[in-house]
Amino acid sequence: DTEVTQTPKHLVMGMTNKKSLKCEQHMGHRAMYWYKQKAKKPPELMFVYSYEKLSINESVPSRFSPECPNSSLLNLHLHALQPEDSALYLCASSTRDRVTGELFFGEGSRLTVL
Amino acid sequence: AQSVTQLDSQVPVFEEAPVELRCNYSSSVSVYLFWYVQYPNQGLQLLLKYLSGSTLVKGINGFEAEFNKSQTSFHLRKPSVHISDTAEYFCAVSDPGGYNKLIFGAGTRLAVHP
Repeated sequence: DTEVTQTPKHLVMGMTNKKSLKCEQHMGHRAMYWYKQKAKKPPELMFVYSYEKLSINESVPSRFSPECPNSSLLNLHLHALQPEDSALYLCASSTRDRVTGELFFGEGSRLTVL
Repeated sequence: AQSVTQLDSQVPVFEEAPVELRCNYSSSVSVYLFWYVQYPNQGLQLLLKYLSGSTLVKGINGFEAEFNKSQTSFHLRKPSVHISDTAEYFCAVSDPGGYNKLIFGAGTRLAVHP
């Protein structure tokens, strides 16, 4: 069982909808990540939060809005998405005090934009 | 800039045969190297990592990898594969000074046949 929980597992939305993806971890990790993975492609980093502050934004369009309400939760707010945004969105967490490279991934939220 | 090249997009192999998945990296600084596995419809799981020290690294599920600095390679090996090893395997690199910011290779699909 994964220790990073993502909801929903599947989401279908229209281009005018507003929806959110949620991620939760209880491992005490202070770094959390959003990755986007298109079919048959590697994950691509979108955002990194460190101690609840946005540390890295990989030039992601503003229609994706991340939020880290506390050390255990990470949200990704979606608005006015395009069909090409359909993908698997992966949340991950890691320790922050020592860079070890080990990310713990959730199972992902599969998003379809119609 | 760092990059990772996985030389084989697909590797078919028979059950109980040995396998090697190839990975080469490019970096102007010292790096951390990783192999992650992604089973169908799941997130990514760390198989093994090289941070420093011994160049032969052992991971979970009987996998091992060897760091070769002169050849800038980090190939993954298993002496005898099982059907359950069928998955996508990603080699990744990170900057030791970064936020566990992983750069993934394109992935290698390992297909184990009976």
